[in-house]
Amino acid sequence: DTGVSQNPRHKITKRGQNVTFRCDPISEHNRLYWYRQTLGQGPEFLTYFQNEAQLEKSRLLSDRFSAERPKGSFSTLEIQRTEQGDSAMYLCATQTSGRGFGPGTRLTVL
Amino acid sequence: GQQLNQSPQSMFIQEGEDVSMNCTSSSIFNTWLWYKQDPGEGPVLLIALYKAGELTSNGRLTAQFGITRKDSFLNISASIPSDVGIYFCAGHGTGANNLFFGTGTRLTVIP
Repeated sequence: DTGVSQNPRHKITKRGQNVTFRCDPISEHNRLYWYRQTLGQGPEFLTYFQNEAQLEKSRLLSDRFSAERPKGSFSTLEIQRTEQGDSAMYLCATQTSGRGFGPGTRLTVL
Repeated sequence: GQQLNQSPQSMFIQEGEDVSMNCTSSSIFNTWLWYKQDPGEGPVLLIALYKAGELTSNGRLTAQFGITRKDSFLNISASIPSDVGIYFCAGHGTGANNLFFGTGTRLTVIP
């Protein structure tokens, strides 16, 4: 058990809608990461938090994406005006020995 | 970005056989990690390697961090049906906070 939960596990939305995902580490972890995984590929880095501060963002994170970690514990990832290309598994991870991933949120944009 | 080539892309083996897969990078990594992912789930860490030349085992799994720091391999001995899944290598370089993942090796074990 990596101690990371993600909600919802699945989300189906229509193109143009906004969606928000949540990541909850069970215990306090300074570092929290978001990754995106499309079918047949490995996860790709999106962004990284050290406590509340968002320290690094990938070029994959367009201006329609925003992530927050307001109290240095849980984190949210919002996608505005979703596009079909946003369909993917969104994974949250914390810094343990290696990287402990949550079960992911699978987003389908119709 | 950094390129990680993982091979083979897929494998079909008989239960009880040994499996070997590897990963090569276009640049030097300071850490190599191997993950297994089941359908609809996040990747689960199997083995972490932190030093060039390091050979580490976890049950029937053995992984090595290549001396050049640009490659790693994972061996699974005496495969069983629950070994089925997609295996990913991952690594990151000095000071990097993001992991780079390979494209995965899909393992099928035939009972």
